[in-house]
Amino acid sequence: LAKTTQPISMDSYEGQEVNITCSHNNIATNDYITWYQQFPSQGPRFIIQGYKTKVTNEVASLFIPADRKSSTLSLPRVSLSDTAVYYCLSPPISSGSARQLTFGSGTQLTVLP
Amino acid sequence: DSGVTQTPKHLITATGQRVTLRCSPRSGDLSVYWYQQSLDQGLQFLIHYYNGEERAKGNILERFSAQQFPDLHSELNLSSLELGDSALYFCASSVGGRGQGSSLQYFGPGTRLTVT
Repeated sequence: LAKTTQPISMDSYEGQEVNITCSHNNIATNDYITWYQQFPSQGPRFIIQGYKTKVTNEVASLFIPADRKSSTLSLPRVSLSDTAVYYCLSPPISSGSARQLTFGSGTQLTVLP
Repeated sequence: DSGVTQTPKHLITATGQRVTLRCSPRSGDLSVYWYQQSLDQGLQFLIHYYNGEERAKGNILERFSAQQFPDLHSELNLSSLELGDSALYFCASSVGGRGQGSSLQYFGPGTRLTVT
């Protein structure tokens, strides 16, 4: 089964850069790597998506090495409001024509003042 | 606001009962996904519909069923409820239906189900 591995939790201080790495095996050639952010009792929110090398948007950067078996979400200068759970999406499990997605357990990021 | 709506926001019911959760996807999205999130647990994929047809099933119990209607809204039916079914149920939508790994998903605010 495809599986993601992320750190369970991370602590950081305001203003620091935070890097969260996710390992994902069995990624298919055409699959993108997607990260979501979730606040308590809210639905996950898309942060960033990439296929290879580096992607940057107004919120974060995503670094993907050539073998694409891992990815690193980088949050620059975090603030208290960045405290949330961050999910790396596992590539779909292919079973015939069905592609079943699994979210990993996520990384609880706590930003301290 | 993701554009995905879910009703009701909260639901309290007793064991053995049946409930229906409703989801309206973003305008133009053809895919609807259902997820369950128990307390302090990750998101468990339940089922995916694309343009009215079931595309993939996850860890969905036989007591649970879903459907997507011609207007693309979806309903998740939970029957013979047990205490362990208490959870947040999220619906997400996306434009495509190829599979969640390549389709950006927009999540609704969720329905909190409490079974007493």
